[in-house]
Amino acid sequence: ETGVTQSPTHLIKTRGQQVTLRCSSQSGHNTVSWYQQALGQGPQFIFQYYREEENGRGNFPPRFSGLQFPNYSSELNVNALELDDSALYLCASSLFLLGEQFFGPGTRLTVL
Amino acid sequence: AQSVSQHNHHVILSEAASLELGCNYSYGGTVNLFWYVQYPGQHLQLLLKYFSGDPLVKGIKGFEAEFIKSKFSFNLRKPSVQWSDTAEYFCAVNGEDSNYQLIWGAGTKLIIKP
Repeated sequence: ETGVTQSPTHLIKTRGQQVTLRCSSQSGHNTVSWYQQALGQGPQFIFQYYREEENGRGNFPPRFSGLQFPNYSSELNVNALELDDSALYLCASSLFLLGEQFFGPGTRLTVL
Repeated sequence: AQSVSQHNHHVILSEAASLELGCNYSYGGTVNLFWYVQYPGQHLQLLLKYFSGDPLVKGIKGFEAEFIKSKFSFNLRKPSVQWSDTAEYFCAVNGEDSNYQLIWGAGTKLIIKP
């Protein structure tokens, strides 16, 4: 059974640019959640997708957007990058909406 | 707004010492409570969870946590730690008011001296 995978592992961008992060959910999982983890802090919930529909959003501006595909993989897009967007971005999948979340290794984004 | 507070950001213990990591939450309704662990170089993984029933919950690797509703606490314990318990530990909460989205504490970095 393949776990949750994320790509890329690391990414460096400059202010104002756009970025797309990718997540492949664990086999059979239909729910994907995205989190931002700044240095020294716990994860902050960005949004969740359930069967290709957004199901809840945290306190993040609209320039953070996402997609879930029919195979339940997901993308996180961030437009107009700011320095404070530098963080580890975590993806987690679960078998059903309130199920245990299984985490990927994260993507480390650095904005210069 | 819901929040989760972990009292210690860093804890250093010797092997065989007993461990207790504090977690308090602010939330008025029914909650589900979680402890996650991140070992060096590994993914976050679930250590244990409480949904209902016996407030003393047992997890993997000899860890347990006690839900004390009157104190809004869910402290993590282990009677005798090992060097391999070196990791970062996160407490998280969800409930109806957060639409069951996880609210996380800032984490506690635990270092076990061999």
